[in-house]
Amino acid sequence: DQQVKQNSPSLSVQEGRISILNCDYTNSMFDYFLWYKKYPAEGPTFLISISSIKDKNEDGRFTVFLNKSAKHLSLHIVPSQPGDSAVYFCAASAGASSNDYKLSFGAGTTVTVRA
Amino acid sequence: NAGVTQTPKFQVLKTGQSMTLQCAQDMNHNSMYWYRQDPGMGLRLIYYSASEGTTDKGEVPNGYNVSRLNKREFSLRLESAAPSQTSVYFCASSKQGRNQPQHFGDGTRLSIL
Repeated sequence: DQQVKQNSPSLSVQEGRISILNCDYTNSMFDYFLWYKKYPAEGPTFLISISSIKDKNEDGRFTVFLNKSAKHLSLHIVPSQPGDSAVYFCAASAGASSNDYKLSFGAGTTVTVRA
Repeated sequence: NAGVTQTPKFQVLKTGQSMTLQCAQDMNHNSMYWYRQDPGMGLRLIYYSASEGTTDKGEVPNGYNVSRLNKREFSLRLESAAPSQTSVYFCASSKQGRNQPQHFGDGTRLSIL
């Protein structure tokens, strides 16, 4: 049973507009959330993260919003650029151990930025 | 700056054959991980090693074994490959401690006939 769900397999957006990617989770113990970006034939690369003590984190064109009561987070990319075309994975951790953390990943959303 | 290096990049096996996937990182990270990615499933953790000398099962460990050879290297072994193990395998590493982003290799695409 997937604890992290990305219900939109794909998203198409025009260059310059905003991309909004959504992620829902079921495990109330999750307290740290990350977004990864993946190009074809490459490994995922870390994009941005947020702790459960915050409701927003911003890094340049990327902003992640967390709504704990709804168990929902979203990634906003603005403005969208052609290089943003990739698969985006949402991930979460519950922090059971102080020595490591295990991530639960969503299935990913493929973003296509149209010129 | 190599980061996380996985070998081989591609491999085709027959059912029942054995295979070891290699992973090495040059970032002096303590923690290392093996994931598999299947269509519509995201990445699922197979095994991880919080530090040199320790390994633990992840979400889908059945059919796999791992060895943390030293701080740099973490290998994944399939003793008797099955078609259900056809997947893309990713190795990752991170600094020890909570909330440390994981750095991934480019993956090994494994097909089992």
